[in-house]
Amino acid sequence: QQQVKQSPQSLIVQKGGISIINCAYENTAFDYFPWYQQFPGKGPALLIAIRPDVSEKKEGRFTISFNKSAKQFSLHIMDSQPGDSATYFCAASRRNFNKFYFGSGTKLNVKP
Amino acid sequence: EAGVTQFPSHSVIEKGQTVTLRCDPISGHDNLYWYRRVMGKEIKFLLHFVKESKQDESGMPNNRFLAERTGGTYSTLKVQPAELEDSGVYFCASSPDRGQIYNEQFFGPGTRLTVL
Repeated sequence: QQQVKQSPQSLIVQKGGISIINCAYENTAFDYFPWYQQFPGKGPALLIAIRPDVSEKKEGRFTISFNKSAKQFSLHIMDSQPGDSATYFCAASRRNFNKFYFGSGTKLNVKP
Repeated sequence: EAGVTQFPSHSVIEKGQTVTLRCDPISGHDNLYWYRRVMGKEIKFLLHFVKESKQDESGMPNNRFLAERTGGTYSTLKVQPAELEDSGVYFCASSPDRGQIYNEQFFGPGTRLTVL
């Protein structure tokens, strides 16, 4: 079964707005949660990642919020820009294990 | 530094035919991974090489898929014979072995495989 569930499948946001993408997981052994950003014709690229010892990580306009008790984490894109239009994947991994379990992706469209 | 490259970018074949996908990882990366995304679904792990050895092949769908990594450099993924459900985008990723618990995986652009 799918180890990481992601929503929404698609998202339309106006320029300057906040984009929020949510993910949930079941396996409490997961302890590394990266977000990947993929532009058309390119491979996914690491955007930002968090470990469960913190509840939030911020890098520029991108913030991960992590709720360990609820087994949920989310990506917030502040002041969304048309250049942020891409597909975003959340993922999870276990310590010393190299494979990632990905969500099904969210296609973000930021309208100018 | 050149990124992960994959060849071909697209492949259209008929059911029952054979297709071979190639991945060239970033130079010096010991870890190489294959993933697959079927349309609209999650990116799924297929297998992981450390140098030329298969570390984890738990995600390989069945014995129609064969992955090799010659001399610990490039890797090939062969599908023989191809079935309709094999259609999807096949991603290759690589990561260095720096002795860290978590290593960022660098993805190639993918090969879009269509089986008719």
